[in-house]
Amino acid sequence: KAGVTQTPRYLIKTRGQQVTLSCSPISGHRSVSWYQQTPGQGLQFLFEYFSETQRNKGNFPGRFSGRQFSNSRSEMNVSTLELGDSALYLCASSSLLKRTGWIAEAFFGQGTRLTVV
Amino acid sequence: KQEVTQIPAALSVPEGENLVLNCSFTDSAIYNLQWFRQDPGKGLTSLLLIQSSQREQTSGRLNASLDKSSGRSTLYIAASQPGDSATYLCAVRADRGSTLGRLYFGRGTQLTVWP
Repeated sequence: KAGVTQTPRYLIKTRGQQVTLSCSPISGHRSVSWYQQTPGQGLQFLFEYFSETQRNKGNFPGRFSGRQFSNSRSEMNVSTLELGDSALYLCASSSLLKRTGWIAEAFFGQGTRLTVV
Repeated sequence: KQEVTQIPAALSVPEGENLVLNCSFTDSAIYNLQWFRQDPGKGLTSLLLIQSSQREQTSGRLNASLDKSSGRSTLYIAASQPGDSATYLCAVRADRGSTLGRLYFGRGTQLTVWP
C-alpha cells in the first residue's frame, strides 16, 4: 500500500514568487491536512480538507491557500513568498476505515523542503 | 485552545536504558492521541495511536499510556538502541466536530542513544 506522497521534495524560490506543493494521500483516505514545520515554531496547522471542502484553517495569512480534488489529492499554494516561509511543509492523510469505528490515524508524507532566498 | 507540552525537550542516554517520554495536554476532550517519530529532515512516522477510550497501546519495545482525565500520556521505550535516536512527537486530535481533522502537536523530545 503506497504511503503519502509529496512533491516536490525540495524547492528553492525567490522572494515574491509563488509556489504550489502537491500531496497524494493514501488510497481511500479522504481527509488531507497540511502543516508547516520550522525550528522556531514547531509544527503549525495550516488547513484541512475533507471531500474537497476546507473544514479547518489555521492562523496563517491569506497568502496560504489550498484545495482538494475529487481524487483526494491536495495542493497548497503560497503566493508572494517571504523569507519566513522557508520551512518543511508536511501533508497528512487520515482514513475513515476500520470495522470498529473511525480510527482517524494520521499518516504523513516525507515533506517538501521550501527555501526562500 | 488545546496546548500540548512534552518533557524533557532533549534526552541523551546510553544504549540499553529504559526511557519514559512525557506528554501533557490542556483540554481533555480529545478523540485520540498519536505518538510519532521524526528523523532529521524527514516526515513523521506514526508509532502508536491511542483512542480516547483506551488506556494503553503496545508495539514491540514501545508502550504508550493515556490518562485522559489528567491530560497526560507517556511513551515508554524499553532497552533503547542507537537506532531509536530521533525526535519523538506527541499529537492529540480534538473531539469536536468542527476541528476533528486537526492535530495539536507538542514541540517534541529529541532523543540520542549512544553506544
